[in-house]
Amino acid sequence: DTEVTQTPKHLVMGMTNKKSLKCEQHMGHRAMYWYKQKAKKPPELMFVYSYEKLSINESVPSRFSPECPNSSLLNLHLHALQPEDSALYLCASSQGLLDRVYGELFFGEGSRLTVL
Amino acid sequence: GQSLEQPSEVTAVEGAIVQINCTYQTSGFYGLSWYQQHDGGAPTFLSYNALDGLEETGRFSSFLSRSDSYGYLLLQELQMKDSASYFCAVRGGQNFVFGPGTRLSVLP
Repeated sequence: DTEVTQTPKHLVMGMTNKKSLKCEQHMGHRAMYWYKQKAKKPPELMFVYSYEKLSINESVPSRFSPECPNSSLLNLHLHALQPEDSALYLCASSQGLLDRVYGELFFGEGSRLTVL
Repeated sequence: GQSLEQPSEVTAVEGAIVQINCTYQTSGFYGLSWYQQHDGGAPTFLSYNALDGLEETGRFSSFLSRSDSYGYLLLQELQMKDSASYFCAVRGGQNFVFGPGTRLSVLP
């Protein structure tokens, strides 16, 4: 199984809603990532989890709250978002944490979020 | 921090060869990756260079010069389906930082 699965594929929410994005991988990867991508822009790193612990937070606003319940799952909890947060949210995993030999990120298909 | 530069657009015809360059400034460099992304899709991995030199995978090759902080992706025998955005990405430890992307248009 070389897939990263993200749900939901599409999400529309109001600024007062609370919702969650989910990501799952069964490749045994111990690093998992959240990226945000706006149209015609590169993916922008938000969070990195290493061995289920948050290792990188790229100064993301607190209205985005990541969670890694176990080595296969990654969630992104959303609360009080703004319309400018509308974007494609990509989850990814990688197998090599400190070994520079590994350079592949495995991406899910993304969750396209619209904030009204 | 890290910063990367790529050309914003490249156009070529079917069957041609195209090279997409990437220069970077970074601390803690592990390697340089390349990703392809079609409109509406997710990025997919193409290649990774941790050491200087050329890596070849089918029609795609990638090159890295660590001393020049420079790499390129070479696409041969271009096909219409190669029309997409191409991103270089620097791996620095546990994070991967993406370049601005190059939009490749392949014409018949």
